[in-house]
Amino acid sequence: AQSVTQLGSHVSVSEGALVLLRCNYSSSVPPYLFWYVQYPNQGLQLLLKYTTGATLVKGINGFEAEFKKSETSFHLTKPSAHMSDAAEYFCAVSRSGGSNYKLTFGKGTLLTVNP
Amino acid sequence: DTEVTQTPKHLVMGMTNKKSLKCEQHMGHRAMYWYKQKAKKPPELMFVYSYEKLSINESVPSRFSPECPNSSLLNLHLHALQPEDSALYLCASSQAMVGNNQPQHFGDGTRLSIL
Repeated sequence: AQSVTQLGSHVSVSEGALVLLRCNYSSSVPPYLFWYVQYPNQGLQLLLKYTTGATLVKGINGFEAEFKKSETSFHLTKPSAHMSDAAEYFCAVSRSGGSNYKLTFGKGTLLTVNP
Repeated sequence: DTEVTQTPKHLVMGMTNKKSLKCEQHMGHRAMYWYKQKAKKPPELMFVYSYEKLSINESVPSRFSPECPNSSLLNLHLHALQPEDSALYLCASSQAMVGNNQPQHFGDGTRLSIL
């Protein structure tokens, strides 16, 4: 079984400040990990993914995440927030190999960016 | 722009109506998915098609009937829906549902309101 915990349902930052969105996972097998962003009235857009290899993953829009197996974490960061980053962010896990169709989502973190 | 196209964007229907949601992708993906998303919640998986065959039904009520006419198209037929079925319905696709590390790509969804 696999699960995802996103710490903080709502994170508020000032424009230009560091963005840190937390995600912890549990998985009985090596996981595939994803961050998706959802802007109002839109679908989910893939920000970045970790499957194998380098543990620091760079994504779109200046976001990156680091896979830390020892901490079972995959936190999302961005050095400087922009107003356009305001959105809902979902961390998701699927299992590697086998039937990896099932994405298990966290409950989401709403990011607001203050001017 | 998303590579998964969903129509219509909005749909209002009465509980006795029959309507269909449509999804199209031209990425050559062989797995396609239907999700239901309620406000401020993560998406919930409903159905998975793999190579145009229904592989997964997550115990969805029979008033929802999926169809995959070909590898690029996915439909969701709706009949006798209930007010609690009002939600955002998301379509997604991926290269395969088994044994690969490619992510799911989402459409912008159809916002469905049941009167």
